[in-house]
Amino acid sequence: GAVVSQHPSRVICKSGTSVKIECRSLDFQATTMFWYRQFPKQSLMLMATSNEGSKATYEQGVEKDKFLINHASLTLSTLTVTSAHPEDSSFYICSAKGPIGLPGNTIYFGEGSWLTVV
Amino acid sequence: AQKITQTQPGMFVQEKEAVTLDCTYDTSDPSYGLFWYKQPSSGEMIFLIYQGSYDQQNATEGRYSLNFQKARKSANLVISASQLGDSAMYFCAILLGPDGNKLVFGAGTILRVKS
Repeated sequence: GAVVSQHPSRVICKSGTSVKIECRSLDFQATTMFWYRQFPKQSLMLMATSNEGSKATYEQGVEKDKFLINHASLTLSTLTVTSAHPEDSSFYICSAKGPIGLPGNTIYFGEGSWLTVV
Repeated sequence: AQKITQTQPGMFVQEKEAVTLDCTYDTSDPSYGLFWYKQPSSGEMIFLIYQGSYDQQNATEGRYSLNFQKARKSANLVISASQLGDSAMYFCAILLGPDGNKLVFGAGTILRVKS
């Protein structure tokens, strides 16, 4: 089946630095990718929707200058957490929308990335 | 407002028995899709089952079935013959919008299967 790969799976960075997380669709072209943030034992909160070749659409309350999203190609979207702070520590997970045709399977998730800011 | 509600923070079920996880939704969109995902402690999101708003029959996938009651706006997940490996967090999600560009999740239900 379709695979979405997310990298890195775990990252520790120092406060004030920036960290980039990649989301790749390995065997299909993803016109739309989604970025979520999840705190322990809580639900997935949609941060933004990124469309290839255009600016990301951010959800209310998400700082676009803090969480930079780039969808440069049909197989790659990146999330950059800028000037990271300990409160940015969280589980970040991406998903990709695949081709139309298989509704039940057109949303594929990456493995997620655990970010710890120290 | 469009939202999705899972009222059971946690559930216990005896191994080999069936369990129903509740999900209700609220949308004015005529076209939408409903998903159930399983999230084990590793964090990965495992797709379980999908129901389209225009589907006439309830979706089934192996031990998973979806009790879709459109008029009540509910999409409960039924897991039959529970296994210890079913212990995980379960999320209901709704795909909204004319292009299906927004997937919104419920709060989740933690399921624990007892031996």
